[in-house]
Amino acid sequence: AQKITQTQPGMFVQEKEAVTLDCTYDTSDQSYGLFWYKQPSSGEMIFLIYQGSYDEQNATEGRYSLNFQKARKSANLVISASQLGDSAMYFCAMRDAYPMYSGGGADGLTFGKGTHLIIQP
Amino acid sequence: DTGVSQDPRHKITKRGQNVTFRCDPISEHNRLYWYRQTLGQGPEFLTYFQNEAQLEKSRLLSDRFSAERPKGSFSTLEIQRTEQGDSAMYLCASSFWRREVDTQYFGPGTRLTVL
Repeated sequence: AQKITQTQPGMFVQEKEAVTLDCTYDTSDQSYGLFWYKQPSSGEMIFLIYQGSYDEQNATEGRYSLNFQKARKSANLVISASQLGDSAMYFCAMRDAYPMYSGGGADGLTFGKGTHLIIQP
Repeated sequence: DTGVSQDPRHKITKRGQNVTFRCDPISEHNRLYWYRQTLGQGPEFLTYFQNEAQLEKSRLLSDRFSAERPKGSFSTLEIQRTEQGDSAMYLCASSFWRREVDTQYFGPGTRLTVL
C-alpha cells in the first residue's frame, strides 16, 4: 500500500524567502507519480507540479521545483521567492502507475496530511 | 478551457436525508474521481470512472454512498440516510488518462454539513 508522510504541520516563512516543504513516501511499485497540490482557504485543490518515478530531472514549474531523491523516497517541494499569496495548505500525493499489479488497489491519489504554510510580510 | 465544476458548493441537510452532488469534468477528460476531505486531513479517494464505467468502488465508505456517470460526462455522488459523520468536503477531479499516471484537476468542492 502507498503512504505519504508530511512531517511539518505548519510553517511560518518571511516573504521573499525560499521554502522547502517535506514529503516522504512509501510504495512497493517501481513506476509511480508524485504530485503537489495547493489548497487555499477557499477549498479548491490546485495542481502545482508532477514528478514521474523514472524522470531523471527534477520537475520545475515556475517558482515551484520538486527535489526528488528516489533512494530516500523523498519528494520535497521548493518554492522560491515566496509571496503572500502562497499562504495555503500544501499536500503531497502519489499514485502507482499500475496499482492492480502492485497491490495498491485503486487508481486514486494517496494524500499526506498537509502542511499549512503562512507567508509573513 | 473551463475547469472542473461542482454543484452545489455548500449543502446543509438534516440527519437521515438523502443528498446528491454533481460534478462536471473538463470536457476532453475521460476519467472522473470522487474524494472526501475531512477537517485537518488530506483528501481520501472514494471512487472513479473511466468514461461511463465505474472501475473502482470498493473505497466508497458504506453502501449509503453511490456514484453514477451515465453518459460519460457529468457524474453524481449520492449519500443516502446522511449521518453527522458524513459532514465533510466532497471533491471531484478529472483527468485525461492514456497510460500510467494521469494528472488530476480538482473542482472547488461541495461542503456538506449534516445537522
